Amino acid sequence: DGGITQSPKYLFRKEGQNVTLSCEQNLNHDAMYWYRQDPGQGLRLIYYSQIVNDFQKGDIAEGYSVSREKKESFPLTVTSAQKNPTAFYLCASSRTSDEQYFGPGTRLTVT
Amino acid sequence: AQSVTQLDSHVSVSEGTPVLLRCNYSSSYSPSLFWYVQHPNKGLQLLLKYTSAATLVKGINGFEAEFKKSETSFHLTKPSAHMSDAAEYFCVVSDAGNNRKLIWGLGTSLAVNP
Repeated sequence: DGGITQSPKYLFRKEGQNVTLSCEQNLNHDAMYWYRQDPGQGLRLIYYSQIVNDFQKGDIAEGYSVSREKKESFPLTVTSAQKNPTAFYLCASSRTSDEQYFGPGTRLTVT
Repeated sequence: AQSVTQLDSHVSVSEGTPVLLRCNYSSSYSPSLFWYVQHPNKGLQLLLKYTSAATLVKGINGFEAEFKKSETSFHLTKPSAHMSDAAEYFCVVSDAGNNRKLIWGLGTSLAVNP
């Protein structure tokens, strides 16, 4: 089955540690996206990549980093510089058309 | 700049009654518009999309939405609510002037009462 996988579903980290969230897709989509979701705030774009080896900052990129070495993979690193990292993180992908397809999400808790 | 406003943060209906979730948008271009649904602690699923074809768009699970350019609205409706429709719904507009970045509404939480 084609789709987007995110792992793990739940992730716990201590403050000050970097953590990497995985996102893999087998839809052969060129573009991939990372969003952060907080209660009452909808989705906010962190980073996006329209092609391999290229990515752009979204609206809230500070404290995050990404890489796009393969078409299928777009990992997100939440660094210790991110002031409020506890959130639900969603990965998405799309072809050249607008609609995006989402993974199941990773809930990150930092204490 | 494009924007989207979901007029109700929370809607409650009884099972079997109609659902109306309201969305207004602003756009300098001919927009693409979407509705997504999110069940608790899950990812998002595309319900339907409008991309300048028919103004009445039919989606999955019996939902539909009508694009009204004069009112800049894209309201989501369903004739008869099911318990399984309880979820968060997001209205989204594609920003054609900004690399087709998606602009998200804040969401409407739909509760369905038995």
